[in-house]
Amino acid sequence: KDQVFQPSTVASSEGAVVEIFCNHSVSNAYNFFWYLHFPGCAPRLLVKGSKPSQQGRYNMTYERFSSSLLILQVREADAAVYYCAVEDLACAGNMLTFGGGTRLMVKP
Amino acid sequence: EAGVAQSPRYKIIEKRQSVAFWCNPISGHATLYWYQQILGQGPKLLIQFQNNGVVDDSQLPKDRFSAERLKGVDSTLKIQPAKLEDSAVYLCASSLEAGGGETQYFGPGTRLLVL
Repeated sequence: KDQVFQPSTVASSEGAVVEIFCNHSVSNAYNFFWYLHFPGCAPRLLVKGSKPSQQGRYNMTYERFSSSLLILQVREADAAVYYCAVEDLACAGNMLTFGGGTRLMVKP
Repeated sequence: EAGVAQSPRYKIIEKRQSVAFWCNPISGHATLYWYQQILGQGPKLLIQFQNNGVVDDSQLPKDRFSAERLKGVDSTLKIQPAKLEDSAVYLCASSLEAGGGETQYFGPGTRLLVL
C-alpha cells in the first residue's frame, strides 16, 4: 500500500527556521504538495512541485522519494498542522496521498 | 474569489441513522473530491468526480456511502446507515482540472460525530 510518512510533531522557537520532513513509498509519484491546516478551517496549499521551490517564507526541497518544508522566521501564528501529499501519476485523475500531518509547536 | 463551500459544518447523529453532506466547489472547477479525515490522520480520498462522472471511487465503502454530482457542479455525499467509525471530518476539494500538478482547494469540512 502506498504511504506517505512525516513526523507527528516538530517544535521550533520563534525566529528560527524549522524543517518538516516527508518521505513516501508511492512508486509513480511526481509532485509534492504541502498544505497548512488550522483545525476547523480549510487546508491551504503552501507550496507544490517536482523541483525545489519557494513561496514567501515557505521553501520546499525535492528528491525522488522525499521532500522537506522549511519555514523561515517562524512565528507563533505558524503553530498548526502541516500535511505533505504526494501525487500518484499512475492513478486516473492524479490522486493525492496524504501523510498523517505534522503538528508544529512554536516556543516564544 | 469564493472558496469551496460545505454544509453543514457539524453534525451529530446516532449509529444506523442517515446523513448527507453538501459541497459547492469553486466556480468553473471541473474536478471535485471528497475526503474522509479521521482524528489524528491525514485526509483519505473517498471519491473523485470529473464534471458529473466518477474518476475514482476505489476507497469509497459502497455498501453505506454514496455520492453524486448530477449537474457537474454541486455534490452530495451520503452515509446510510452510519457506523461509529464514520466519525470524522469530511472534506470537499475542487480543482480546475485533474491534470498533473493541479492545486486542490479545500473547503472547511463537515465534522461528523456518530454516537
